[in-house]
Amino acid sequence: ETGVTQSPTHLIKTRGQQVTLRCSSQSGHNTVSWYQQALGQGPQFIFQYYREEENGRGNFPPRFSGLQFPNYSSELNVNALELDDSALYLCASSWASGSSPTDTQYFGPGTRLTVL
Amino acid sequence: QKEVEQDPGPLSVPEGAIVSLNCTYSNSAFQYFMWYRQYSRKGPELLMYTYSSGNKEDGRFTAQVDKSSKYISLFIRDSQPSDSATYLCAMSAFLSGNQFYFGTGTSLTVIP
Repeated sequence: ETGVTQSPTHLIKTRGQQVTLRCSSQSGHNTVSWYQQALGQGPQFIFQYYREEENGRGNFPPRFSGLQFPNYSSELNVNALELDDSALYLCASSWASGSSPTDTQYFGPGTRLTVL
Repeated sequence: QKEVEQDPGPLSVPEGAIVSLNCTYSNSAFQYFMWYRQYSRKGPELLMYTYSSGNKEDGRFTAQVDKSSKYISLFIRDSQPSDSATYLCAMSAFLSGNQFYFGTGTSLTVIP
């Protein structure tokens, strides 16, 4: 069974740039959630994708957007980067049927984004 | 008021001690409760997952949920240096199509 993978591991960008982070979900999972974890804080929910559609969103501005592909992999895009966007970005995958509770979420290693 | 409150520590204990980690929450709709372990610069790793109130044991780990008090705990028996990590509690109203709310994490160091 393949776990959740994320790329790249580390990324340095400058303010105002755009970034794309990628996630491959665990085998058998169809739901992907993205979280932002600032240093010394718990993960904060950005959004979730289920069957290629956004299925819940946290308190993040529209410049945070995402995609889920038919193979259930996912991208997180952040436009107009700000210094406060510097954080560990975590992807978590899970399985959902749409009519019953899912199994819980399994996290990837994260992408550490630094905005200068 | 935050949805989930967790004492950030740091907590330092000698090897073999019993460790108690706790979270409180405000949303009575939460039904699913998780504990994750996170090593430095790594993603969170699922330790325990419980539904509603009660206890769940897995090896040296025991999770307790008291929904009437809105309080959850993780106990680690016979703590080991390899248990040194940050422990995050997380909870959700529904696992399907809903977000997880995390505590800030408690940093634990087990001293050999």
